[in-house]
Amino acid sequence: DAGVTQSPTHLIKTRGQQVTLRCSPKSGHDTVSWYQQALGQGPQFIFQYYEEEERQRGNFPDRFSGHQFPNYSSELNVNALLLGDSALYLCASSLIQGTYGYTFGSGTRLTVV
Amino acid sequence: QQQVKQSPQSLIVQKGGISIINCAYENTAFDYFPWYQQFPGKGPALLIAIRPDVSEKKEGRFTISFNKSAKQFSLHIMDSQPGDSATYFCAASRETSGSRLTFGEGTQLTVNP
Repeated sequence: DAGVTQSPTHLIKTRGQQVTLRCSPKSGHDTVSWYQQALGQGPQFIFQYYEEEERQRGNFPDRFSGHQFPNYSSELNVNALLLGDSALYLCASSLIQGTYGYTFGSGTRLTVV
Repeated sequence: QQQVKQSPQSLIVQKGGISIINCAYENTAFDYFPWYQQFPGKGPALLIAIRPDVSEKKEGRFTISFNKSAKQFSLHIMDSQPGDSATYFCAASRETSGSRLTFGEGTQLTVNP
């Protein structure tokens, strides 16, 4: 049973560009959450998707947007990249009714130069 | 009100020793407190979790102690092994509002052979 799959694993972008990260949730999970983990820090909640809608959002600017598809997979889009957006972006999947089934992917390492 | 404070930032113990990591939270609405283990290049993996209706939970060598009145909880790793060397994060959430997790800053644990 595959866990959470994220692609790509690494990415280098130039300041001002746009990036799309992808996530396939664990089989049976219906909710996808995205987190940003800066080097040496704990993950910070970006937003959560359920039934193809953004359900919750953390303290991130509108440059960060997302989407969930009917098969529960999800994308994270970041526009107008800043150097400070360099981080590990983690996708986590779960069932909507609780946190105990939270499963993280290995993340996408984004470097903005 | 949403912060989770974690200490120490780094910890070095000898093989066979006890590792202790502490966390404190502010939001009394939190009702789920997991600990995650993260190895380099990997996403966080759930280690053990506790709810505020119990003061202690033990799973193998890992124990969570929870003090609701002090708004503190800690992770104890008994008989620490070199394979336990990783970064540990405490987290907290409100299950009634979904699966959003608030993480601590992390503790880098090194277990020397």
